[in-house]
Amino acid sequence: QQKVQQSPESLIVPEGGMASLNCTFSDRNSQYFWWYRQHSGEGPKALMSIFSNGDKKEGRFTAHLNKASLYVSLHIKDSQPSDSALYFCAESSGSWQLIFGSGTQLTVMP
Amino acid sequence: GPKVLQIPSHQIIDMGQMVTLNCDPVSNHLYFYWYKQILGQQMEFLVNFYNGKVMEKSKLFKDQFSVERPDGSYFTLKIQPTALEDSAVYFCASSRQGNYAEQFFGPGTRLTVL
Repeated sequence: QQKVQQSPESLIVPEGGMASLNCTFSDRNSQYFWWYRQHSGEGPKALMSIFSNGDKKEGRFTAHLNKASLYVSLHIKDSQPSDSALYFCAESSGSWQLIFGSGTQLTVMP
Repeated sequence: GPKVLQIPSHQIIDMGQMVTLNCDPVSNHLYFYWYKQILGQQMEFLVNFYNGKVMEKSKLFKDQFSVERPDGSYFTLKIQPTALEDSAVYFCASSRQGNYAEQFFGPGTRLTVL
């Protein structure tokens, strides 16, 4: 069964710092990857997607994908207190369902 | 941005009763999903629905579960009868397209089965 492992489980960074979140996946057929963010009491909201090896940057957020290493990461530059949330990576290998990781709880300290 | 609404936000019922969870998807979306999240665990796919039919379902989608969207109204998840292990937060999602499309999630319905 496809699995997505996320690390760390929780992360505390100072305001203005860099937050780095990691995911490994088990299915070499995985094609498409998402990063979702979930604030308390809300549903997850998509941050960005990536499907090509390398980096993809959107504002302060950079996703990195290495399919050969079965690895995807998210880096948040200049972290803000409003970035404090639960972050999920999710992968799609051609079916319509998303396979989610277990989440990283990010806290940005003012 | 586009919003998915879920009603109710919290439902408490006795084991063995029926429950219906309601989802109002984004208006021009054609693909609908339910996911289940037990407290402290990752979100897991239950089912997706397109053109009036279940397209995929996971092993979590037990025989007691059913989904429908009668006449383009709410997309519903019905559980009959409920069991203790059905206690979880249920998230509805919708997307305009199928494969690889962004899924928009609602805020969830917290179901507590006593």
